[in-house]
Amino acid sequence: QKEVEQNSGPLSVPEGAIASLNCTYSDRGSQSFFWYRQYSGKSPELIMFIYSNGDKEDGRFTAQLNKASQYVSLLIRDSQPSDSATYLCAVRFGTGGFKTIFGAGTRLFVKA
Amino acid sequence: EAGVTQFPSHSVIEKGQTVTLRCDPISGHDNLYWYRRVMGKEIKFLLHFVKESKQDESGMPNNRFLAERTGGTYSTLKVQPAELEDSGVYFCASSPSSGRAWSEQFFGPGTRLTVL
Repeated sequence: QKEVEQNSGPLSVPEGAIASLNCTYSDRGSQSFFWYRQYSGKSPELIMFIYSNGDKEDGRFTAQLNKASQYVSLLIRDSQPSDSATYLCAVRFGTGGFKTIFGAGTRLFVKA
Repeated sequence: EAGVTQFPSHSVIEKGQTVTLRCDPISGHDNLYWYRRVMGKEIKFLLHFVKESKQDESGMPNNRFLAERTGGTYSTLKVQPAELEDSGVYFCASSPSSGRAWSEQFFGPGTRLTVL
């Protein structure tokens, strides 16, 4: 079983719609959770992080965390073609460490 | 402020040769990380430096890989001898030692390594 699992996609949504990206993780000791965006041929760029159960909103992005279900998601409202990229879910385990475990990513296409 | 830089951007070598990758973190960042993404797979953690000390090297695949960070500034990752399965993109990231250190790692553009 992979430590961090994501649907590889591609996920295709029309412009203006809500894109919903999901991620599950295996270790209940996970402490913090991250969503990165990676454009083709570029480096990962942090969009959001969350470490408490519930929702965290930042502009058009909302991260949702449910530790009981070991599930984290990212919602992108009013999706734009420029949001088309691979979205990486990443998890840090335990406390005090910085080792980050990445999922394989979900490819998102936003159709104009 | 300059971001994380990596050199070279692309390296093509033959199996059995040696390659050295370099990473220059953001100035003042004590934490430096190496990651690798093999084609079609997820980004995998290799190791973490705090200044010049190896804090966690649990992700290093084998003893053909040697990472150094002399002086706590730039870091090198040497692969000797390179094997076909070492091909991939090697990312370096850095983060500060306080404040948002735990929350954000800034990634470099990566070095694409091809072993023929």
